[in-house]
Amino acid sequence: DAGVTQSPTHLIKTRGQQVTLRCSPKSGHDTVSWYQQALGQGPQFIFQYYEEEERQRGNFPDRFSGHQFPNYSSELNVNALLLGDSALYLCASSLRGYEQYFGPGTRLTVT
Amino acid sequence: GDSVTQMEGPVTLSEEAFLTINCTYTATGYPSLFWYVQYPGEGLQLLLKATKADDKGSNKGFEATYRKETTSFHLEKGSVQVSDSAVYFCALSDRNFNKFYFGSGTKLNVKP
Repeated sequence: DAGVTQSPTHLIKTRGQQVTLRCSPKSGHDTVSWYQQALGQGPQFIFQYYEEEERQRGNFPDRFSGHQFPNYSSELNVNALLLGDSALYLCASSLRGYEQYFGPGTRLTVT
Repeated sequence: GDSVTQMEGPVTLSEEAFLTINCTYTATGYPSLFWYVQYPGEGLQLLLKATKADDKGSNKGFEATYRKETTSFHLEKGSVQVSDSAVYFCALSDRNFNKFYFGSGTKLNVKP
């Protein structure tokens, strides 16, 4: 049984560009949450998707947007990248939010 | 708003020592509480959880009790092993598991 997968593993972008990160949930899971983890910090909740809708959102600007597809996979889009957006982006899947399983993350570097 | 505060690390212990990592929380309503662990080179894994006051979560010799009166969820283990070396994160979620808040993490180093 494949766990949560994320792509790409690493990404380097220039300030002002846009980026799309992808997540495939664990089999049987219907809910996807996205987190930003700065170096040496805990994950910060960005938003959660369920039934293709954003169910809850953390304290992140509108530059951060997402999407969930009918097969429950999800994308995180970040527009107008800032240097401060450099971080590890984690995806977590669950069945209706309970007991999250985390992916390995995508390391985004903005130069 | 809701938040989690956990003790800063790193915590360095000798093998077989007793471990306590403190975690306190601020929340409205009735949150669920979690401990996650991140081993070197690996992703976050759920270690244990408690969904209501006085519940005790346990796994792999680790325990934590949901204390509403002190708004705490301290992680304990009676005898740590070198293999327990990792970063431990305390977290809470709202009642419906829609939104999660994580602490900043505590790094544990266990020496042989």
